[in-house]
Amino acid sequence: EVQLVESGGGLVQPGRSLRVSCAASEFTFNDYAMHWVRQAPGKGLEWVSGISWNSGNIGYADSVKGRFTISRDNAKNSLYLQMNSLRAEDTAFYYCARGRIGGGFDYWGQGTLVTVSS
Amino acid sequence: EIVMTQSPATLSVSPGERATLSCRASQSVSSNLAWYQQKPGQAPRLLIYGASTRATGTPARFSGSGSGTEFTLTISSLQSEDFAVYYCQQCNNWPLTFGPGTKVDIK
Repeated sequence: EVQLVESGGGLVQPGRSLRVSCAASEFTFNDYAMHWVRQAPGKGLEWVSGISWNSGNIGYADSVKGRFTISRDNAKNSLYLQMNSLRAEDTAFYYCARGRIGGGFDYWGQGTLVTVSS
Repeated sequence: EIVMTQSPATLSVSPGERATLSCRASQSVSSNLAWYQQKPGQAPRLLIYGASTRATGTPARFSGSGSGTEFTLTISSLQSEDFAVYYCQQCNNWPLTFGPGTKVDIK
C-alpha cells in the first residue's frame, strides 16, 4: 500500500530554519506530482507548495513564497520542504500528499508538527 | 489566487438524514474541484475529484455536483462515521486553495 511518512518536525525559534522530509514507498514516485499542505492546530487546511514529477513546475502559497523551498529526490523517493525565516504563524502540522493525475490529493502522510516559538 | 468559500460553517444533522454542503470559487475552476473528509487526529481523505467522481473507496452515498464556481457535496443518508469536517479544494490553478471547511455534527 502507498505510504508517505513525514519527519523532521520539532520546536524551532522564530527566524531559524528547519527542513521536513517525506519518504514515499509502494508506488512509482517519479510518476507523480507531490505537495505539502499544512494545518495549524484547530484550523483548516492550507496548501503550501507543490512540485511536478520532474521538478520542472513548482508553486508556493503567497504566505511562504521566498522563505520556503520545495524539492524532491526521485532516486531516494523523497520530498523535502526547506523552511527559512520561520514565524510563529508557520506553526502547524505539515502533511505531504500525492497529487492525483487528474486532480486532488489521493494519499496523505500522517503529518509532522512544526512549532515556532521562543 | 482563487478564493474558496464553504457554507454552512457547521451543519447539524441526524443520522439517516441527507446533508448538503456548498462550495463556491471566486472564479471558474471548471470541474477541477475535490472534496475531502477529515476526522479528528487524522489526515484528510480524498472523497471526490473532478467535481463528481468518487475516489476509490468512497461510499455511493457521497455525491458531488457542479462546475464553474458553484459545487455541492451531498451525503444521502448520514452514517455515524460521516460526522467530520469536509473541505473543498480547487485544482485548476496554482496556488491550489482549500475552502475553510464545513463541520457536520450530530443533531
